Amino acid sequence: EVQLVESGGDLVQPGGSLRLSCAASGFTFSSYSMNWVRQTPGKGLEWVSYISSSSSTIYYADSVKGRFTISRDNAKNSLYLQMNSLRAEDTAVYYCARGVDYFDNWGQGTLVTVSS
Amino acid sequence: DIQMTQSPSTLSASVGDRVTITCRASQSISNWLAWYQQQPGKAPKLLIYRASSLESGVPSRFSGSGSGTEFTLTISSLQPDDFATYYCQQYNTYSRTFGQGTKVEIK
Repeated sequence: EVQLVESGGDLVQPGGSLRLSCAASGFTFSSYSMNWVRQTPGKGLEWVSYISSSSSTIYYADSVKGRFTISRDNAKNSLYLQMNSLRAEDTAVYYCARGVDYFDNWGQGTLVTVSS
Repeated sequence: DIQMTQSPSTLSASVGDRVTITCRASQSISNWLAWYQQQPGKAPKLLIYRASSLESGVPSRFSGSGSGTEFTLTISSLQPDDFATYYCQQYNTYSRTFGQGTKVEIK
């Protein structure tokens, strides 16, 4: 069974940093592209970032470009999102999701709150 | 970015009803469209990809159609588990975008 488990969400002050992790199991992680998608009550679902299986291709949404960095460690079956210069509008539940184009498996999400 | 607009935002229906949700893209996306179902407090679940292909394990009462800029998700006979929020998502460009969601509630 495919499992994706996010962690690292927390309350952080504006301008602060946070690193999210996603532990994968139940499939050959190194063969799949991965994504971060976030969800807020106000803006709904928003794709954040994509990384190919070998990390050779990376994309970011304009809203996070230059502030967030996606990475992966295939030896540890793990996906990461380093978030810097956090803003109030980054407050959301962050999901890791498997897939190139559409997302066939999602984690349960981790809550990031940016507030003073 | 390509904008995705769903209608209606909320839909009231009864068990057994046929339900249709529409998703419109701001420009042509061919058939690069997926549909998801989200239950309260849970992650989205993939239902349909490539506009009309049913994801493995998804009941056949769900179907998708359309191409270009207009797409529909149809539930042929609404079941109690189907009361949820539904989202469309385009993948014509690398910047994937979602519709704002359609909540299907009990009439």
